[in-house]
Amino acid sequence: AQKITQTQPGMFVQEKEAVTLDCTYDTSDPSYGLFWYKQPSSGEMIFLIYQGSYDQQNATEGRYSLNFQKARKSANLVISASQLGDSAMYFCAMREGDTDKLIFGTGTRLQVFP
Amino acid sequence: DAMVIQNPRYQVTQFGKPVTLSCSQTLNHNVMYWYQQKSSQAPKLLFHYYDKDFNNEADTPDNFQSRRPNTSFCFLDIRSPGLGDAAMYLCATSREGRYTDTQYFGPGTRLTVL
Repeated sequence: AQKITQTQPGMFVQEKEAVTLDCTYDTSDPSYGLFWYKQPSSGEMIFLIYQGSYDQQNATEGRYSLNFQKARKSANLVISASQLGDSAMYFCAMREGDTDKLIFGTGTRLQVFP
Repeated sequence: DAMVIQNPRYQVTQFGKPVTLSCSQTLNHNVMYWYQQKSSQAPKLLFHYYDKDFNNEADTPDNFQSRRPNTSFCFLDIRSPGLGDAAMYLCATSREGRYTDTQYFGPGTRLTVL
């Protein structure tokens, strides 16, 4: 079974609009962290935002926020006021307990148009 | 600024000619990772070091080796590159191996095999 599922292979959004990128996860470990990364065409994987399983509030970092719904096992990324520079591949990832590894989803390609 | 550095950014090699990719970090993190990423796919973990302890993924070909001579540096050696090894190679670091620890990535080395 997939541990991280991103069901949107591609998304389009107009500049200045908000967009939500979906991510669902599957784990039986009560301790886990959820991460979102942005990967522009240059290839660098840029860390955006983190949500811990015990965090009571949704994480926010500037224009990025994470809509964490623990009971539904979803961790959607919300980008407000989209910019042309937001066009990139976005990966949701999870780290469980004390494991060294990061489990990635298949990614969502976001395109922002003027 | 503390960072993860990869050299070179672009590497061209010939079929069967050994190649070494380099990663260094100024974050003083204990864990260093090597990923292989092919076009439009999620990164695939090859192996990682927790301090000096080497952890190989079960499906990583023997053709791929790694060295970590000290905390700051980690190398990826491809002994006999095949055409299928052409990919982006990403190095990442993490302070520890807990679910709260973010992995920070370098800019990647794009490998071409002729």
